[in-house]
Amino acid sequence: AQSVTQLGSHVSVSEGALVLLRCNYSSSVPPYLFWYVQYPNQGLQLLLKYTTGATLVKGINGFEAEFKKSETSFHLTKPSAHMSDAAEYFCAVSDAGGYQKVTFGTGTKLQVIP
Amino acid sequence: SAVISQKPSRDICQRGTSLTIQCQVDSQVTMMFWYRQQPGQSLTLIATANQGSEATYESGFVIDKFPISRPNLTFSTLTVSNMSPEDSSIYLCSARDGPYEQYFGPGTRLTVT
Repeated sequence: AQSVTQLGSHVSVSEGALVLLRCNYSSSVPPYLFWYVQYPNQGLQLLLKYTTGATLVKGINGFEAEFKKSETSFHLTKPSAHMSDAAEYFCAVSDAGGYQKVTFGTGTKLQVIP
Repeated sequence: SAVISQKPSRDICQRGTSLTIQCQVDSQVTMMFWYRQQPGQSLTLIATANQGSEATYESGFVIDKFPISRPNLTFSTLTVSNMSPEDSSIYLCSARDGPYEQYFGPGTRLTVT
């Protein structure tokens, strides 16, 4: 079964600093990978996804993630944190091919310090 | 993209009662799902709501406890039956209109006393 591990349930960064949220997946074959963001009292919103092709994926709000098969990782980064980035971020994985069940990580709560 | 609304947004219920949560999507979607979200834990898939037929439940979830309806391509309900404090959680409705992206409602925050 697919699974993802998010390292760090809470991450704090200063405004303007690099954001790095870690995600490692467990899969015997290349999966599809996703990052979702959840703002307080809202549903999850898709930030970006990796399915096939380019391993560096750009998403909304300046976020990007790189699929590294050798490291089984899909870390989320943003060069400069904004106060509005404070939210909870979920990494998710599914089997390749579309219309597959998605398994979510436990989430990382990002705090941005002014 | 699909916009999902849920009612109620939150509720406080007594042990032994039932609550029905409604989920409305602003467009027709191929798949609808119900998740449970507990603090510090992953989103857990309860079931896939199938239009016009019985829902498909994940391991650990049963129809008697979580009956689900999906009468059409834009609407679904989840009932949490015979509630106990362990059912206190956020319940999320989700939908897909394609192979990859899932859209989520804002959630229903349930507290059982």
